[in-house]
Amino acid sequence: GAVVSQHPSWVICKSGTSVKIECRSLDFQATTMFWYRQFPKQSLMLMATSNEGSKATYEQGVEKDKFLINHASLTLSTLTVTSAHPEDSSFYICSARTSGGFYEQYFGPGTRLTVT
Amino acid sequence: GENVEQHPSTLSVQEGDSAVIKCTYSDSASNYFPWYKQELGKRPQLIIDIRSNVGEKKDQRIAVTLNKTAKHFSLHITETQPEDSAVYFCAAHRGGGSEKLVFGKGMKLTVNP
Repeated sequence: GAVVSQHPSWVICKSGTSVKIECRSLDFQATTMFWYRQFPKQSLMLMATSNEGSKATYEQGVEKDKFLINHASLTLSTLTVTSAHPEDSSFYICSARTSGGFYEQYFGPGTRLTVT
Repeated sequence: GENVEQHPSTLSVQEGDSAVIKCTYSDSASNYFPWYKQELGKRPQLIIDIRSNVGEKKDQRIAVTLNKTAKHFSLHITETQPEDSAVYFCAAHRGGGSEKLVFGKGMKLTVNP
């Protein structure tokens, strides 16, 4: 149980274009999803907390107009990187919290974004 | 806000030895402490967690201890195996309406056969 999928697993895009990443909870309803960014050999940096049906809460320093988050249903959240630049290249990971659980977060497999 | 410190940053042990990873947290209101294992290029996986009303929890070869007074918690892995090699992250949850986990910087464990 508590399986989270992410799509795509990797993507290469050109500077200036936008990329959408999907995060799905496959066997549970996730009232809350989280988006993280991870640089090589570093820890998980929380970007935003996403609650179903409401606006995402962004961490300090994260541009909400650049990283658009939508949590339209209890099983799907999307992150859109708009007008991507090479410095946006990173490993993006989502996680989901079960509605009936304590505070456990289950992670997706991540999306490797490369902006050329 | 909460701050989680993790040490050491790397640890190398021989197969069969024990490994201990220590974390400290700053916010006494934190009430949930999970540990994640992340293999290279893969997702972090929850391996064990502990709530603030418990001092110790075991699951086969892994155990976690929590000292609320000192605000530190530790992961113990016994009889290490090469497949235990990974990066381990500790985290703390503050509670009080906050949803988020605060992660430590991670520790790379290498188990040499």
